[in-house]
Amino acid sequence: QKEVEQDPGPLSVPEGAIVSLNCTYSNSAFQYFMWYRQYSRKGPELLMYTYSSGNKEDGRFTAQVDKSSKYISLFIRDSQPSDSATYLCAMPSSRYSSASKIIFGSGTRLSIRP
Amino acid sequence: EAQVTQNPRYLITVTGKKLTVTCSQNMNHEYMSWYRQDPGLGLRQIYYSMNVEATDKGDVPEGYKVSRKEKRNFPLILESPSPNQTSLYFCASRGGYSNTEAFFGQGTRLTVV
Repeated sequence: QKEVEQDPGPLSVPEGAIVSLNCTYSNSAFQYFMWYRQYSRKGPELLMYTYSSGNKEDGRFTAQVDKSSKYISLFIRDSQPSDSATYLCAMPSSRYSSASKIIFGSGTRLSIRP
Repeated sequence: EAQVTQNPRYLITVTGKKLTVTCSQNMNHEYMSWYRQDPGLGLRQIYYSMNVEATDKGDVPEGYKVSRKEKRNFPLILESPSPNQTSLYFCASRGGYSNTEAFFGQGTRLTVV
């Protein structure tokens, strides 16, 4: 079983829709949860991160963590064509992130139709 | 501008011909790493370095070498490339203690024929 599982998609939704992207993980020790966005032919960029359980909002983006279910989500409201990208969830393998590696999900490819 | 620079961006080579992909960062980061990205497999760590002269294997190190003689540079070396090393490669760097954000280079698309 992979430590981090993510549905690869592709996911195609109309402009303005609410998008839900999800990951599950197996290691209950994970405490930091990150979402990276990767545009075509580019390297991933950090979009949001959260610590422990709960919600974090940044503009149209909301990251949600449910540690009891080992499940994290990224919601995109009022989706725009510019949101079309691959979204990767990621978690440092230990609390002391400078000494740990980051484990990435395989990424979900999202396409927003104008 | 803070950045991670990889070169070359695209490379086609033949089996067995040694090659080096360079990586340089200008953020004075201690932690650098190399990943390969393949469809359905996501980003897999090849090697990482926690500081100068400190390197260690990641999840898929076979067929690769690295060195870290200077803090800013972290080259990836393929001594004898094979077709199964055809992939998209990313270099990334991170700052100090408790910094979770990784900065990625633009990627190197390698094809081994």
